[in-house]
Amino acid sequence: GAVVSQHPSWVICKSGTSVKIECRSLDFQATTMFWYRQFPKQSLMLMATSNEGSKATYEQGVEKDKFLINHASLTLSTLTVTSAHPEDSSFYICSAPLETQYFGPGTRLLVL
Amino acid sequence: LAKTTQPISMDSYEGQEVNITCSHNNIATNDYITWYQQFPSQGPRFIIQGYKTKVTNEVASLFIPADRKSSTLSLPRVSLSDTAVYYCLVGPPGYSTLTFGKGTMLLVSP
Repeated sequence: GAVVSQHPSWVICKSGTSVKIECRSLDFQATTMFWYRQFPKQSLMLMATSNEGSKATYEQGVEKDKFLINHASLTLSTLTVTSAHPEDSSFYICSAPLETQYFGPGTRLLVL
Repeated sequence: LAKTTQPISMDSYEGQEVNITCSHNNIATNDYITWYQQFPSQGPRFIIQGYKTKVTNEVASLFIPADRKSSTLSLPRVSLSDTAVYYCLVGPPGYSTLTFGKGTMLLVSP
C-alpha cells in the first residue's frame, strides 16, 4: 500500500518555541493532506486540510495562526506549532488520500 | 459523513474469531465502509474497505448486509498482537475528510 512518513517521530520543546512537523507521501502525489491531533485515550480529531498551492482549511476551534500549515509540493505538507504551550502536547498524525486515507506514523510532541 | 456506532471494548482469547459490528444507519449511496487499526502511539493502519456483501483480504473479512446500515469486521484466529483500537468509518472513497468515532478497544488475552 501507499506510504506516508512523518518527521520527527517525537519532539520535546520548551514552552514558547515553535515546532515544525513534516508529512510526506513517499510513493504517490497528494494535492490534499490532512492533519489530526490525538490526546491520550481519545480518538483522532481532524485539525485542518492542507491544500497544495492554496491556503489550508481549518476545522472549527483550531487556531490557524497557531497551527501554520504549508503544502509546498505534491508530496510534502508541514505543520508548525507556533509558540507552543504544554496544552499543545499531543500526538499529531497526518494522512493523504488515494483510494482510501493513508496515515503517517504520527509525531509525539511534548512541550515543557 | 454518516455517524458510526461501535462497542467501546471487546475481549477475546488467542485463536478465537472476533467480530466487531459497526452501525451506520445514515450511510449514503456513494459511501464506502473502511476499517482501521491503531496501536498506541502509531497512526491508523488500513485494514479493509467494502461497499456491499463480503470482502476478504489476507487479514480480515468485512460483511455488509443488503441494507448497508451496519457492517461486521471479522478477524480470524486473533493473536496477542491484534490488541488495538479498531475504527469503522463511512464515507466516499478517497474520503475528503474523516470523522473518527471512539473506536473499539480489542483486548486479546493468552
